Amino acid sequence: EAGVAQSPRYKIIEKRQSVAFWCNPISGHATLYWYQQILGQGPKLLIQFQNNGVVDDSQLPKDRFSAERLKGVDSTLKIQPAKLEDSAVYLCASSLGGYSNQPQHFGDGTRLSIL
Amino acid sequence: GENVEQHPSTLSVQEGDSAVIKCTYSDSASNYFPWYKQELGKRPQLIIDIRSNVGEKKDQRIAVTLNKTAKHFSLHITETQPEDSAVYFCALVDDYKLSFGAGTTVTVRA
Repeated sequence: EAGVAQSPRYKIIEKRQSVAFWCNPISGHATLYWYQQILGQGPKLLIQFQNNGVVDDSQLPKDRFSAERLKGVDSTLKIQPAKLEDSAVYLCASSLGGYSNQPQHFGDGTRLSIL
Repeated sequence: GENVEQHPSTLSVQEGDSAVIKCTYSDSASNYFPWYKQELGKRPQLIIDIRSNVGEKKDQRIAVTLNKTAKHFSLHITETQPEDSAVYFCALVDDYKLSFGAGTTVTVRA
């Protein structure tokens, strides 16, 4: 079974620039999550999709972050404009069903560095 | 959101010894408690999980215990090996989303 795919693996940009990340979940997984993991901390949920609808985006900084999952499969996360504090690893995860008490499987993440 | 406290933040053990990591929480509604292992530069990997209707679960050298009354759950690794060296995160479902502890860096000394 193919895992969660993410790209790019690394990205370096200057502050105030924009950046986008892509995620392809495990086939058949209805729920997709984006997490932010700052160095030395646990992952923090940014947004959760059930198919192509948003379930929870309460911790997403909506003034600069946006995400979409148009066809209920792939998803993109965008930051515009980036700030220094956005330097982190952005992890995508997916799970089979629509409940948070089901196992989540993570991708390798995108490591973002803001100069 | 939920505060899940994880201790210790670092743990060094001799190869072959046991390692124990403990997490405490306050929301009694939490009913799902997974543990993830993250090696340097790699993805978090689910290694074991437990639900609130079970007190203990074991998978080879790894076991998790849950005490809902005291609101804590623990990861136990027996007969540690060098490949067990990693950061371990506990997590729980809080307000319908997964919240993670701050992590424990485990180092297994050969």
